[in-house]
Amino acid sequence: EVRLVESGGDLVQPGGSLRLSCVASGFSFKYYRMTWVRQAPGKGLEWVSEMNGDSSVILYVDSVKGRFTISRDNAKNSLYLQMNSLRDDDTAVYYCARTYTAHLDYWGQGTLVTVSS
Amino acid sequence: DIQLTQSPSSLSASIGDRVTITCRANQTISNSLNWYQRKPGKAPNVLIYRTSGLQTGVPSRFSGSVSGTDFTLTISGLQPEDFATYYCQQTYTIPYTFGQGTKLEIK
Repeated sequence: EVRLVESGGDLVQPGGSLRLSCVASGFSFKYYRMTWVRQAPGKGLEWVSEMNGDSSVILYVDSVKGRFTISRDNAKNSLYLQMNSLRDDDTAVYYCARTYTAHLDYWGQGTLVTVSS
Repeated sequence: DIQLTQSPSSLSASIGDRVTITCRANQTISNSLNWYQRKPGKAPNVLIYRTSGLQTGVPSRFSGSVSGTDFTLTISGLQPEDFATYYCQQTYTIPYTFGQGTKLEIK
């Protein structure tokens, strides 16, 4: 059974940093692209970042470029999102998802990031 | 960025109804359009990929189609478990944007 479990969400002050983790199980993690998607309170889904299996292709939405860094450790079946210079509008539930061809076929349950003073 | 506009934003329907949700792209996206279902407190679940591909395990009452840049999700014969919010997503160009969502409620 494919399982994705996010962690690391917390309350952080504007300008602060946070590192999200996503542990995968039930599939050969190293062969799959992985994606972070977020949903702010009362808003829709927003694609944030994607990384391919060997970390050679990394993509970001413009609003997080230069502030967020996606990474992975295939030996630990883990995906990460390092978030720096956090802003109020980064407040959201962050989901990691497995990318299969061009769609997100498995999602985690999400971890809540709240940016507030 | 490619903008996806879903209509309607909300919809009331009855069990057994046929429902259509539209997602309009503001430029060509080929067939690179997916549909997701989201229930409260749960992660999204892919229903349709690449316009009309039915995800494994998804009931056949869900179907997808396209006319130009207007993509359609159709649910034929609504079931109680179908009341949820539906999102389209384009994967043609980075960033892979989502529509704003369509909330399907029980009439």
